[in-house]
Amino acid sequence: QKEVEQNSGPLSVPEGAIASLNCTYSDRVSQSFFWYRQYSGKSPELIMSIYSNGDKEDGRFTAQLNKASQYVSLLIRDSQPSDSATYLCAVGTGTASKLTFGTGTRLQVTL
Amino acid sequence: GAVVSQHPSWVICKSGTSVKIECRSLDFQATTMFWYRQFPKQSLMLMATSNEGSKATYEQGVEKDKFLINHASLTLSTLTVTSAHPEDSSFYICSASASSYEQYFGPGTRLTVT
Repeated sequence: QKEVEQNSGPLSVPEGAIASLNCTYSDRVSQSFFWYRQYSGKSPELIMSIYSNGDKEDGRFTAQLNKASQYVSLLIRDSQPSDSATYLCAVGTGTASKLTFGTGTRLQVTL
Repeated sequence: GAVVSQHPSWVICKSGTSVKIECRSLDFQATTMFWYRQFPKQSLMLMATSNEGSKATYEQGVEKDKFLINHASLTLSTLTVTSAHPEDSSFYICSASASSYEQYFGPGTRLTVT
């Protein structure tokens, strides 16, 4: 049984701070790792993808992958109230493969 | 790029009727499309995977005769909820993938069965 684990939160951070979201996965053959953002009542939006060990930066977002530890994280710098959402970690095993989703971490950015 | 649309965005139907939901990839060819269901405050649940021109693969516990999926072209997949009941009320979301790793989600369809 493939599993993706996330802390459900809520994770509360003040505006301007760094939010750190974490995810672990069980399937060692996983090849692709994604972070989706989902606002309440909306569908998920892809914000980051990462495929190799290390860091990948895109604007205020940095994804980190450690395959040996089966761990992937998302850092959000200079957090804004508009970042308040549920962040879903998803893991896949190949091209166009189905993804296994975590249950999501709810992030609250406070003023 | 990578835009996926769904229609309708919301629908209300009476118990026992059928509802069709369309999912379209607007600016890319989707070799694979996925259908998910999400109940309030729960995570996404994959219902089925469909590849263009072939039968859909359903997840365990999902009734293939109740949730009919057709993926007739590289840009269109449809989900038909047959003989809908109130317990089928949910948020149905499709995603599409080209020959790559990423999946892009449609905006979702909120179904209410009365």
